[in-house]
Order: sequence, then structure tokens, then C-alpha cells
Amino acid sequence: KAGVTQTPRYLIKTRGQQVTLSCSPISGHRSVSWYQQTPGQGLQFLFEYFSETQRNKGNFPGRFSGRQFSNSRSEMNVSTLELGDSALYLCASSPVGTGELFFGEGSRLTVL
Amino acid sequence: DAKTTQPPSMDCAEGRAANLPCNHSTISGNEYVYWYRQIHSQGPQYIIHGLKNNETNEMASLIITEDRKSSTLILPHATLRDTAVYYCIVRDNTGGFKTIFGAGTRLFVKA
Repeated sequence: KAGVTQTPRYLIKTRGQQVTLSCSPISGHRSVSWYQQTPGQGLQFLFEYFSETQRNKGNFPGRFSGRQFSNSRSEMNVSTLELGDSALYLCASSPVGTGELFFGEGSRLTVL
Repeated sequence: DAKTTQPPSMDCAEGRAANLPCNHSTISGNEYVYWYRQIHSQGPQYIIHGLKNNETNEMASLIITEDRKSSTLILPHATLRDTAVYYCIVRDNTGGFKTIFGAGTRLFVKA
């Protein structure tokens, strides 16, 4: 069974631009959650989607948004990029009925 | 804020058991204890989880105290490849969840 796939793996943007990251969950998993990881703040929860609905959201500004499609694939968007948005963005999927998270390898964003 | 506290780092000799503690004194009755590890900025990897009983799988054992306020992850025969950051988290498996990771424990396995 294929794992969680995140694209792109690496990207460089400049301040003020926007970025869209994609996550394809494991087949059959309907929950997708997103995390930001930085050396200073560690792993921080961004949001979680289930059946195209956002169920939970972390403490991030409105520049961070996401969505989930009917096939459970998810995207997150960061608008008006700031230098502090440079991070590893991780996506995880979960099967229904368990809290086990299966993580992708992440998308490493560098903002210049 | 994270609901768990872990020591920032630990050392272990290769071949010996690594015992990683976690405090979760505010855990509620329907929350599970999960352990993950992350090796050098790869995506975190699931290790094991439990509610109240001790659990064992091919990777590790999880010992949860009777009052559920703390737990210990045991890697029975640590290898150099077990060097990683280990995260203990508590989560409710019902409905939506908001997974809060703490700083984790950086385990160094030494030859």
C-alpha cells in the first residue's frame, strides 16, 4: 500500500508570494492533518480535515488555509509569505476509528 | 500547550534497553497515549499506542501506570538506527482531534 505522498518536496519562494502544498493520503484514509515544523517551535498542529470538512484548527493566522477534496486528497495554502514561514510542512493521514497518524516525508519551504 | 512532558535528551548503549519516560498527568479517560519517532527531519513514524493496558509490538513495549499519569516506552535492544527524537502525545480517538506535540526526547544510541 502506498504511503502518504506530499508534493513538492522542496520549494523556494520570496516574501509576499503564496504557496500551495499537496498531500495524497493512504488509500481509504479519510482524515488528513497538517503540521508545521521549525527548529524553534517544533511540530505544531495546523488543521485537520475529515470528509472535506475542517474539524480542528491550530493557532495560526488566517494566511494559512486548507481544504480537502472528495477523494480525501488535501491541499494547504499559505498566502503573503513571511520569512518565518520557512519550515518543513508535514501531512498525516489516519484511518477511521483510530488515532494512528501516518506521516508523509514533508514539503520543505524556504522563504527568501 | 502540550499535555505531555519528556526529558529533552537521553543516552543509551547499543544493545541495551532504552527506557523513555513520559508524564501526562492531565490525561482524560478517553485519551490514548501514542509514541512516534522522527529520524533527522523525516516524517514522524508511529511506534505504539495504548489506553490503559501495557502494549507490545515488534518495535517496542509501552508501560502505562495504573493511574495513567505517566508511561514508559521501552526499546528492548537499542541499535544505532534508533537514534531519533521520540514524541509522546495523548489523543482522543473519537471525532475530530487536535494533536499537540511536545518537544520530545532526543535519544542518542552509542556504540
